[in-house]
Amino acid sequence: AQKVTQAQTEISVVEKEDVTLDCVYETRDTTYYLFWYKQPPSGELVFLIRRNSFDEQNEISGRYSWNFQKSTSSFNFTITASQVVDSAVYFCALSEAGNQGGKLIFGQGTELSVKP
Amino acid sequence: DSGVTQTPKHLITATGQRVTLRCSPRSGDLSVYWYQQSLDQGLQFLIQYYNGEERAKGNILERFSAQQFPDLHSELNLSSLELGDSALYFCASTPQGNSYNEQFFGPGTRLTVL
Repeated sequence: AQKVTQAQTEISVVEKEDVTLDCVYETRDTTYYLFWYKQPPSGELVFLIRRNSFDEQNEISGRYSWNFQKSTSSFNFTITASQVVDSAVYFCALSEAGNQGGKLIFGQGTELSVKP
Repeated sequence: DSGVTQTPKHLITATGQRVTLRCSPRSGDLSVYWYQQSLDQGLQFLIQYYNGEERAKGNILERFSAQQFPDLHSELNLSSLELGDSALYFCASTPQGNSYNEQFFGPGTRLTVL
């Protein structure tokens, strides 16, 4: 069965700290896609990154980096030198190639609070 | 701004009523997805349309229905509303409706059922 688990419900850090958000997924498909979305207090869902199951290269975009490890079925997200504007709920999501249409299966989200 | 629009932004109604939520996808996108975000269920996929045809169905109640029109906008109809239907309803769009496309989300419609 497909499932995404974000075990950390809430994380609170002080500005400039590094923080890692964990994501563990379950799927029987060999081809799948993993995503991270950000939901700031304003409520919209903002796409951050997509990773396919054949590409285990880590990715860095500015202060954001993602670590994809198939061996542990994890796709973790690290924010370096966090800022107050990073405060949001972050969702990890899975889409399976075998699922016609590409519906997203979301984790429960991690609420990140960055304090000044 | 994702390019996906949703109206209305907020909707307050009473139990037993019927409402219609509207979504316009990004220019060029043929596929529309509907999701419900509630405190107890989290973000759940409801239904997907591709170029006017239903492509996939998720945890959508029988009281809910949707359609996609020739101009590609989509409507989600919720009827016989219950208190538990109060939630944030998102629409998302992608060019082809495949699993590898990132979905771009609209701002959501917050439905409150009193």
